[in-house]
Amino acid sequence: QKEVEQDPGPLSVPEGAIVSLNCTYSNSAFQYFMWYRQYSRKGPELLMYTYSSGNKEDGRFTAQVDKSSKYISLFIRDSQPSDSATYLCAMKRDTGGFKTIFGAGTRLFVKA
Amino acid sequence: DVKVTQSSRYLVKRTGEKVFLECVQDMDHENMFWYRQDPGLGLRLIYFSYDVKMKEKGDIPEGYSVSREKKERFSLILESASTNQTSMYLCASSSTGNSWKLFFGSGTQLSVL
Repeated sequence: QKEVEQDPGPLSVPEGAIVSLNCTYSNSAFQYFMWYRQYSRKGPELLMYTYSSGNKEDGRFTAQVDKSSKYISLFIRDSQPSDSATYLCAMKRDTGGFKTIFGAGTRLFVKA
Repeated sequence: DVKVTQSSRYLVKRTGEKVFLECVQDMDHENMFWYRQDPGLGLRLIYFSYDVKMKEKGDIPEGYSVSREKKERFSLILESASTNQTSMYLCASSSTGNSWKLFFGSGTQLSVL
């Protein structure tokens, strides 16, 4: 079983829709939870991060972490064609080591 | 603008060739990483380095080696390229204080024929 599971999609939505992207994980030691966005032929870039549990909002993006369920989500409101990209969840332990574990990535298409 | 620069965007090599992938960062980061990205598998860590001349194996180090002679430069070496090493290779860096925050290069798409 992978440490981090993420549905690869693709997910296709109309412009203006609310998008929900999700990951589950198995390692309860994870404390840092990140979302990276990767455009075609580019490297991933950090979009959001959350430390431990809770919600974090940044403009149209909201990240949620539910440690009791080992489940994290990224919501995109009022989705735009420019949001079309691959979204990768990523997780890291608080102490000990440098390894970040990534999900497989979800490919999102927002249609105008 | 902070940058992680990978020397080649596309590379085509033949089976058995020795391949060098170079990465340079300008953020004075202590940590540097090499990942490969394959469809459906996400990013898998090959090697990382937390200091000059220091290296640690990641999850899939077989067939690869690395070199870090200067803080800003981290090289990935494929000793004898094989077709199953055809992949997108991504270099990343982070500071020790914010080791969770990775900065990535644009990647090198390597094809081994």
